[in-house]
Amino acid sequence: GAGVSQSPSNKVTEKGKDVELRCDPISGHTALYWYRQRLGQGLEFLIYFQGNSAPDKSGLPSDRFSAERTGESVSTLTIQRTQQEDSAVYLCASSSHGQTGELFFGEGSRLTVL
Amino acid sequence: KQEVTQIPAALSVPEGENLVLNCSFTDSAIYNLQWFRQDPGKGLTSLLLIQSSQREQTSGRLNASLDKSSGRSTLYIAASQPGDSATYLCAVDDDKIIFGKGTRLHILP
Repeated sequence: GAGVSQSPSNKVTEKGKDVELRCDPISGHTALYWYRQRLGQGLEFLIYFQGNSAPDKSGLPSDRFSAERTGESVSTLTIQRTQQEDSAVYLCASSSHGQTGELFFGEGSRLTVL
Repeated sequence: KQEVTQIPAALSVPEGENLVLNCSFTDSAIYNLQWFRQDPGKGLTSLLLIQSSQREQTSGRLNASLDKSSGRSTLYIAASQPGDSATYLCAVDDDKIIFGKGTRLHILP
């Protein structure tokens, strides 16, 4: 596609529900990154994929968070049993080369947990 | 553990002035450094990417420099305009891509 696409753009859920956030990277980009940005805060690294593999999962805040990528394309970030502190914008980015390429971001998925 | 610091946290300057934003990082073993801007409620837009072997990059009124050995980068904005008002973030790539907290820039008309 022309850019990184994220869905849904907005999600309101009740505490305890599971949510899935989707990221479609730019076609051909091998590296994909997930970040969390709480209101008024900086970007918090969550996880990155090189192809379909995630070399570093250390940024995931808890075992309620998981992510996968298939076909070296779409990625989903799943949050189980959501808590109010999970409320944030979740940003996805992709690049053509994991360590030398320019990073392009989607518009983000805004999650609100009531 | 890589840490990225941006100073100042916020800056207001009159239109037309030249300005410099600073970014420092603790581990110089990076592959590249990238500057972004973020408008309120929006995603990030890439401004400039500097590879570890490069010293600077230029795009229009923007110039970014990199001194890897000292762990510093600067973003120079010439002849600032109200449309430059945004948050500017730098990010370093050392396998993970780590961001600073940004500088909120306000250009006064």
